[in-house]
Amino acid sequence: GNSVTQMEGPVTLSEEAFLTINCTYTATGYPSLFWYVQYPGEGLQLLLKATKADDKGSNKGFEATYRKETTSFHLEKGSVQVSDSAVYFCALPEAAGNKLTFGGGTRVLVKP
Amino acid sequence: NAGVTQTPKFQVLKTGQSMTLQCAQDMNHEYMSWYRQDPGMGLRLIHYSVGAGITDQGEVPNGYNVSRSTTEDFPLRLLSAAPSQTSVYFCASSTPKGTDTQYFGPGTRLTVL
Repeated sequence: GNSVTQMEGPVTLSEEAFLTINCTYTATGYPSLFWYVQYPGEGLQLLLKATKADDKGSNKGFEATYRKETTSFHLEKGSVQVSDSAVYFCALPEAAGNKLTFGGGTRVLVKP
Repeated sequence: NAGVTQTPKFQVLKTGQSMTLQCAQDMNHEYMSWYRQDPGMGLRLIHYSVGAGITDQGEVPNGYNVSRSTTEDFPLRLLSAAPSQTSVYFCASSTPKGTDTQYFGPGTRLTVL
């Protein structure tokens, strides 16, 4: 079955620092890849996605590129803000349907 | 458009009690699912449904039952609560396509004493 591995947190940064969260996966074929974000006390919401190899997803200053050669989908942001403090999840669906497999989540804390 | 709603937000049970977590969506999504979130373990799929009258087990189904009598509703039943079921529970809905976004409810924080 599918599996997702992402770097463990917590990651603590200062405002305006560069953020990278690594995500690698194993899957059959070339599924869509997702980053979901969970702000404190809330449910998950989609941050960005890529539906095929070499696609770049972007949203709110975050970017991730679907790299099939390295089976990776690393999340990056050039200048983080305090409001980016959250837990970030990498995820991918089964080959058929929309059952998601999640990574363990990475907690990010941005300090002023 | 309320999206995905869950009730209650918080619940405390004693071991052996039963209860139902409610989930509803107003987006006419065929696919609905229940996840539990435990520290350091991400989200794990409990049960899912691809349409009214059709349900199936996910990764961690033991101790939970589901049914799907309508497109909108997908309740999760705990038959006899155990401390190991202390967790945060999220309901999600989407189309069945693997390229489409899943929409999550705000969660139910359950504590079993």
